[in-house]
Amino acid sequence: SQQGEEDPQALSIQEGENATMNCSYKTSINNLQWYRQNSGRGLVHLILIRSNEREKHSGRLRVTLDTSKKSSSLLITASRAADTASYFCATDKIDQFYFGTGTSLTVIP
Amino acid sequence: DTAVSQTPKYLVTQMGNDKSIKCEQNLGHDTMYWYKQDSKKFLKIMFSYNNKELIINETVPNRFSPKSPDKAHLNLHINSLELGDSAVYFCASSRKGTAYLGNTIYFGEGSWLTVV
Repeated sequence: SQQGEEDPQALSIQEGENATMNCSYKTSINNLQWYRQNSGRGLVHLILIRSNEREKHSGRLRVTLDTSKKSSSLLITASRAADTASYFCATDKIDQFYFGTGTSLTVIP
Repeated sequence: DTAVSQTPKYLVTQMGNDKSIKCEQNLGHDTMYWYKQDSKKFLKIMFSYNNKELIINETVPNRFSPKSPDKAHLNLHINSLELGDSAVYFCASSRKGTAYLGNTIYFGEGSWLTVV
């Protein structure tokens, strides 16, 4: 299967702490992306990392990619209550996007 | 303006009925998708259309039929609804990008289908 699998399934942290979630996938990819889904809403793109990149930053987000292990991680630093959402990794090959079950993050104020 | 809009947002219907969900994107994208999200939040691709042509049809029962009248619209018609069809259905779109440049996918807000 092309689909990514996120780990852990659920994560609960205190506001101000860092949150790390992981993604593993099974086939070769061109890019890996992370998306966020607020409760009752659609998914919103957060960040894309290309297969030849190892790390990427965007604001409080840091994404790593290890193609040899077929894994990626998303780190959210200094978490806020508003970061409470589900986070999905998506693997893509040209126009095909495959998602997993996501990590449900709860940030406690 | 909403980039990807889908209607209805909520739909409650009885088993055996036929229903449609409509989707429109105003982003000028060439590719549109339907995804199904189950109660465990697993997001599974159902169909992908590029410029009105079907390019992905995952293992979806043939009771589900997508219709793309033009590249800005991709509607989903479901015949003979079953209890197991209850889920959230997301429409999405993206540019047709190269493998290296990558693409991002834009989602609608979802249509909550409940079959009773």
